[in-house]
Amino acid sequence: QQQVKQSPQSLIVQKGGISIINCAYENTAFDYFPWYQQFPGKGPALLIAIRPDVSEKKEGRFTISFNKSAKQFSLHIMDSQPGDSATYFCAASIGTSGSRLTFGEGTQLTVNP
Amino acid sequence: ETGVTQTPRHLVMGMTNKKSLKCEQHLGHNAMYWYKQSAKKPLELMFVYSLEERVENNSVPSRFSPECPNSSHLFLHLHTLQPEDSALYLCASSQDGGQPQHFGDGTRLSIL
Repeated sequence: QQQVKQSPQSLIVQKGGISIINCAYENTAFDYFPWYQQFPGKGPALLIAIRPDVSEKKEGRFTISFNKSAKQFSLHIMDSQPGDSATYFCAASIGTSGSRLTFGEGTQLTVNP
Repeated sequence: ETGVTQTPRHLVMGMTNKKSLKCEQHLGHNAMYWYKQSAKKPLELMFVYSLEERVENNSVPSRFSPECPNSSHLFLHLHTLQPEDSALYLCASSQDGGQPQHFGDGTRLSIL
């Protein structure tokens, strides 16, 4: 059972554009939603995370938007750069004390110069 | 060294071989994890160790055998693997079994 569904599978954006990746979850007990960024040959690295008590969190060019009623959250990358080309994974867990992270399938982002 | 280090980075083995993957974390964490990453699939949590005790085993075949001798080191012993076991194996660590988890760069395993 896929508890976190991520789309699109792949995304091509021009430099300077906005990249948007969406995730939907089923388990209403989830209350911690991180995004991980993975470059080829590297492990996933935490990019940004949100708790459901806020609807948006911004860190530099990266923003998470969260819609609790729709059970959806998304990553927006503003002014996308070629260096942002990577695979992005959304995930969810029950609290920050829970060890189990349920991951989405990943989105391969390519930013063309 | 800092972070989470995994060795070897690449491993090719036959189905009858026995090999081990090693993970070492330098972050002072007390929980460690093994994940399997296959193409176009979500990361699959295999094992969780907290304070050197195995606290989670997600129906992983017995041909995978984890070992956590101390809170800084984690091993995955492999024997009689199948071609479908070819994947990237990622190690992660965290404090008190919570979030966030910090990942190593993985071991790319190929089974001939």
